[in-house]
Amino acid sequence: QKEVEQNSGPLSVPEGAIASLNCTYSDRVSQSFFWYRQYSGKSPELIMSIYSNGDKEDGRFTAQLNKASQYVSLLIRDSQPSDSATYLCAVNGMDSSYKLIFGSGTRLLVRP
Amino acid sequence: GAVVSQHPSRVICKSGTSVKIECRSLDFQATTMFWYRQFPKQSLMLMATSNEGSKATYEQGVEKDKFLINHASLTLSTLTVTSAHPEDSSFYICSATQTGQPQHFGDGTRLSIL
Repeated sequence: QKEVEQNSGPLSVPEGAIASLNCTYSDRVSQSFFWYRQYSGKSPELIMSIYSNGDKEDGRFTAQLNKASQYVSLLIRDSQPSDSATYLCAVNGMDSSYKLIFGSGTRLLVRP
Repeated sequence: GAVVSQHPSRVICKSGTSVKIECRSLDFQATTMFWYRQFPKQSLMLMATSNEGSKATYEQGVEKDKFLINHASLTLSTLTVTSAHPEDSSFYICSATQTGQPQHFGDGTRLSIL
């Protein structure tokens, strides 16, 4: 079983819709969770970080964390074509080295 | 804030050449830096974790004698790909973090070995 799992997609949504990206993780002791956006040919860019159960909102983005169910999600409201990218879920590893365990990413396609 | 600069952005060189890639944290002191490699249409693969003043910790399967990492200061880490061959062609990305903060990535280096 992979430590961090994401649906590879592509997830296709029309412009203006809500895009919902999901991620599950296997390590119950994980404390830090991150969403990165990666455009094709570019390096990842931090979108959101979340550390406690519940929702965290930043502009059009909302991260949701449920530690009991071991899932973290990212909602993108009013999706724009410029949101089309691969979204990487990352979870901190068990040790104290600050390593992140990355999912394989979900490709999002926002149709104009 | 949290700007990470990586240089060069692109390298094309002949087989057998050694290539050095620099990673700098511009506006913070990075307690830890990481080096990743990404092949086309694949996810990030962590190569090594680097702490200032100490030896890097390499992931399983990564040759430490081939991928030399130096982390001489809290703002600079370098990765040297020694005697590079075509199979080393990839997208190399560094990230930097300070205690309790998320990792921030450099822009990456696209390495092409002919």
